[in-house]
Order: sequence, then structure tokens, then C-alpha cells
Amino acid sequence: DIVMTQTPLSSPVTLGQPASISCRSSQSLVHSDGNTYLSWLQQRPGQPPRLLIYKISNRFSGVPDRFSGSGAGTDFTLKISRVEAEDVGVYYCMQATQFGVTFGPGTKVDIK
Amino acid sequence: EVQLSESGGGLVQPGGSLRLSCAASGFIFSNYAMSWVRQAPGKGLEWVSGISGSGASTFYADSVKGRFTISRDNSKSTLDLQMNSLRVEDTAVYYCAKTSPGIAPITYYYYGMDVWGQGTTVTVSS
Repeated sequence: DIVMTQTPLSSPVTLGQPASISCRSSQSLVHSDGNTYLSWLQQRPGQPPRLLIYKISNRFSGVPDRFSGSGAGTDFTLKISRVEAEDVGVYYCMQATQFGVTFGPGTKVDIK
Repeated sequence: EVQLSESGGGLVQPGGSLRLSCAASGFIFSNYAMSWVRQAPGKGLEWVSGISGSGASTFYADSVKGRFTISRDNSKSTLDLQMNSLRVEDTAVYYCAKTSPGIAPITYYYYGMDVWGQGTTVTVSS
């Protein structure tokens, strides 16, 4: 299985300031069809996961544009341009390129 | 609005059985593959099982293969997970999730989770 790692595992941020989370995969996530199936999920406290970004940089329906994704191959980044109180939670990257979908360990974002 | 509502969780002894259900609304249920994903207490996410829109194809993680059975009733817009021979390590919150094309490759379409239910808690303990 592809192993997903995330850094940092905890990120205290100041309201209104940017935040960035890195995700690295143990193998390239480029599929034979040319797409890279790397997604980002948000899980607010006590809530189910919510899809934010798919295929590296595509925002899912209803996701604010302060969330953006980038990267290629094995290295990916989720950025929040200006953190709001409702952004507190755990963020997971997820790969679906290879058989055996795998998730990163999660990055906890909270307010300083 | 897409809505998914799980039920059926509870406390069960090791070796026991439990059946989870997920009621779906807000979309044409039969058009979409569905999946179950679980989250052990304080842990990360683990995909458990998936099923095609018609129900003809089913898929399982190695950790549950032979013990869990996924099924769906498109006439009622419901998804089920029959869990047998439960183990302590199956303790988790179980989420049903709708999938959509484009989030995963065509080959693994059941990995393309886009909307998740609130979850139901399964505790396996003596």
C-alpha cells in the first residue's frame, strides 16, 4: 500500500493568517490515465469528514476559495489563505490512485 | 441536498454480529457507488467496503473480507453492512459515503467518496 505522511501533525494558527499542510506519498500518485487522485478532507470536531479538494487542486462543491491545493507526483500542499474559526479541525490527505486507498495521519489545525 | 444517515451501531461481544444501515436522500441513489469507511477511536480513516450502483459488484478491505457483507436496496435508497465475527479491532465509527466520478480512477470508482454521513458507533467488547 502507498503510505501517506503529513507535516506538520499539529498547526496552531492565528485567525486571519495563512496555513499550509504538506502531504507526501511513498510512490507517485500519477495514474496511468494521466490524472493524480490526491484529495484533501476536513474533519471538524465531532463531525464526519468533508471533501475539500480532489485531483490535487479541484475544490469540491461549496468549498470556500480560501482553500487551495497544489503539488505533483509525490508532494502535495493544502493552503488556507486566511484561517477562520470554522477551519479548526483535522485535515487528511487521501490517495485513490492505487488499489488500497490510503489516508494520511491527519494534521490538527487549531487557533493560537 | 445530499443526506446520508447511518443507524444500527451498538455494543456487541467479540464474535458477534451487527447490521448497519444507511438511508440516502437528495440524489438518484442507484446512479452512484457507495462505500463504508471507519474511524477507530482517536485514529485515522480506513476504507472498509464499496458497492457499485447496481449492487452487482462489491469490494472489501482485506481486514474485513469474509466477515463483512455490503448490500444495497435501490428501491428504498438504503445501503447496508452486515458485520459478522466481530473483533475488538472493529471498534470504530462507521461512515457511509456517496461516491462520484472523477475523484478516483474508473477502476477504483468506489474510492471516490464525496459526501459522508454522520456515522454510527460500533463497540466490540466483552
